[in-house]
Amino acid sequence: DAGVIQSPRHEVTEMGQEVTLRCKPISGHNSLFWYRQTMMRGLELLIYFNNNVPIDDSGMPEDRFSAKMPNASFSTLKIQPSEPRDSAVYFCASSLELALTDTQYFGPGTRLTVL
Amino acid sequence: AQSVTQLGSHVSVSEGALVLLRCNYSSSVPPYLFWYVQYPNQGLQLLLKYTSAATLVKGINGFEAEFKKSETSFHLTKPSAHMSDAAEYFCAVSAGTSYDKVIFGPGTSLSVIP
Repeated sequence: DAGVIQSPRHEVTEMGQEVTLRCKPISGHNSLFWYRQTMMRGLELLIYFNNNVPIDDSGMPEDRFSAKMPNASFSTLKIQPSEPRDSAVYFCASSLELALTDTQYFGPGTRLTVL
Repeated sequence: AQSVTQLGSHVSVSEGALVLLRCNYSSSVPPYLFWYVQYPNQGLQLLLKYTSAATLVKGINGFEAEFKKSETSFHLTKPSAHMSDAAEYFCAVSAGTSYDKVIFGPGTSLSVIP
């Protein structure tokens, strides 16, 4: 399997622009997670889905952030409008089920820079 | 609620020396505990996990960790460091009774000196 695929790997944009990050989970995995990693705050869970349904979005920092999972093989994280403090590495992860013992498999991340 | 602390944001060891990365957790319910490794410009990869079975857990790449309830610790060890072990290591905790999100520690950067 190709693993979790994220695109783009790097994104540089200007403040105020819309940014869309994409994720393809591992085939057959039913749970998907979006994380943000910064030096100041470490790794934060933003939102997670199970069977394409958002389960917990309490980690989404503001209304400027939104995430969708229209089908089992695709998810997006959108920031509109973007701000410099959104600069971070965004990771997508997937697991077989939403179970305590299931391993989360992480993608390579998207490094976002907002100027 | 769960939380995790990692003592030492940066640890340096000589090649061939013992690796010890410290993790302490706080949990109101029996926890599940994890160690992840992150190599430069890559995502996190699971090293090992404790899910209430054996307290000594063996993982990939020769790493192991021991769950000590009395000390609320889950320290990661490897008998002999290799250059390829240089990476960022994250300890994480989740509730062991019902699904809850995984909380990650701040990470420890491991350097291996030749």
